[in-house]
Amino acid sequence: EAGVVQSPRYKIIEKKQPVAFWCNPISGHNTLYWYRQNLGQGPELLIRYENEEAVDDSQLPKDRFSAERLKGVDSTLKIQPAELGDSAVYLCASSRQGLALHGYTFGSGTRLTVV
Amino acid sequence: SQQGEEDPQALSIQEGENATMNCSYKTSINNLQWYRQNSGRGLVHLILIRSNEREKHSGRLRVTLDTSKKSSSLLITASRAADTASYFCATQIQGAQKLVFGQGTRLTINP
Repeated sequence: EAGVVQSPRYKIIEKKQPVAFWCNPISGHNTLYWYRQNLGQGPELLIRYENEEAVDDSQLPKDRFSAERLKGVDSTLKIQPAELGDSAVYLCASSRQGLALHGYTFGSGTRLTVV
Repeated sequence: SQQGEEDPQALSIQEGENATMNCSYKTSINNLQWYRQNSGRGLVHLILIRSNEREKHSGRLRVTLDTSKKSSSLLITASRAADTASYFCATQIQGAQKLVFGQGTRLTINP
């Protein structure tokens, strides 16, 4: 089966500009996650979707970050405006069940550099 | 916030030797998982151990879990150069349907 697909792989933008990341999860995986990974750190959860509903967005900086998962399949994560501290790798993952009984499948991530 | 702490932060060994990485966590969990991340890539799920299990094997991987000490270890036997990567433990906290990752151990296997 195809894995979790993310695009773009790399993005360089100037601060205050908007940026968007796209994720296509594994077919049939109803749970989708966006994580942010800073250099040398482990991933930190930004938002979790069950189908099209955002069920945990407590870690999402809502003043500048937004996400959507229309039709419960693809998802988009947006930052507007971007700040220097947003430079990180943004990872999307999906799982068949919310309790992650079988582990998550991660995409390759989008490396964002804000200059 | 990250609940797991991994030890050591970095480990360098010779090919063929065994590598052991440790993970400690703070709160009660449903399960603990280990992931590998090659440089510039996403994370790959290696193994999952449930809170009522004490040991699990998968190929050259052996994972132990001690819930009384809130700790886990990952042993990679007969290491290979291809095992060079960062390894993360992740816990599924009781009552929460999400994984919380540690900061990882960077493993280098020298040929």
